[in-house]
Amino acid sequence: QKEVEQDPGPLSVPEGAIVSLNCTYSNSAFQYFMWYRQYSRKGPELLMYTYSSGNKEDGRFTAQVDKSSKYISLFIRDSQPSDSATYLCAPRWGSQGNLIFGKGTKLSVKP
Amino acid sequence: NAGVTQTPKFQVLKTGQSMTLQCAQDMNHNSMYWYRQDPGMGLRLIYYSASEGTTDKGEVPNGYNVSRLNKREFSLRLESAAPSQTSVYFCASTDNYGYTFGSGTRLTVV
Repeated sequence: QKEVEQDPGPLSVPEGAIVSLNCTYSNSAFQYFMWYRQYSRKGPELLMYTYSSGNKEDGRFTAQVDKSSKYISLFIRDSQPSDSATYLCAPRWGSQGNLIFGKGTKLSVKP
Repeated sequence: NAGVTQTPKFQVLKTGQSMTLQCAQDMNHNSMYWYRQDPGMGLRLIYYSASEGTTDKGEVPNGYNVSRLNKREFSLRLESAAPSQTSVYFCASTDNYGYTFGSGTRLTVV
């Protein structure tokens, strides 16, 4: 079993839709959970991160972690064509540990 | 503030040739990383350096060597390039939370 599993998509939604992107992980020691966004032919950029379980909101984006089920989610409200990108989840077990990247989900938001 | 700078941006090599990918960060980060990204494989860690003077193997180190020249610079060397090393290479650095990535080097080995 891979440490981090992520559906590669592609996922296509109309503009304005609510998008749900998800990952599962196997290592219960993970404590920090990052989400990266990667536009085509660019490097990944940090979108947001959460520590332990719970929710964190930043504008149209909400990150959610359920440690009991080892499930990570990213919700995008009022999706825009500019949100079209690949989204990668990346947990880590501590502030010093290496990030473990999922393979990414490719999202396309149609005008 | 440039962040993480990678050179070159594109490179074509012949099988057996060698080259060094350069990476420099200006954020005073201790840790630096080299990843490769291939379709369907995601980001795979090649080597990392937790601090100046230390380097460690990642998931896919075979065929690569690294040098942490100083706190700012972390280079990746391919001694004898193979077609299997055709990929996009990313350098990253961290302040212990999120990683900051460079814009990548697209390498083709023919």
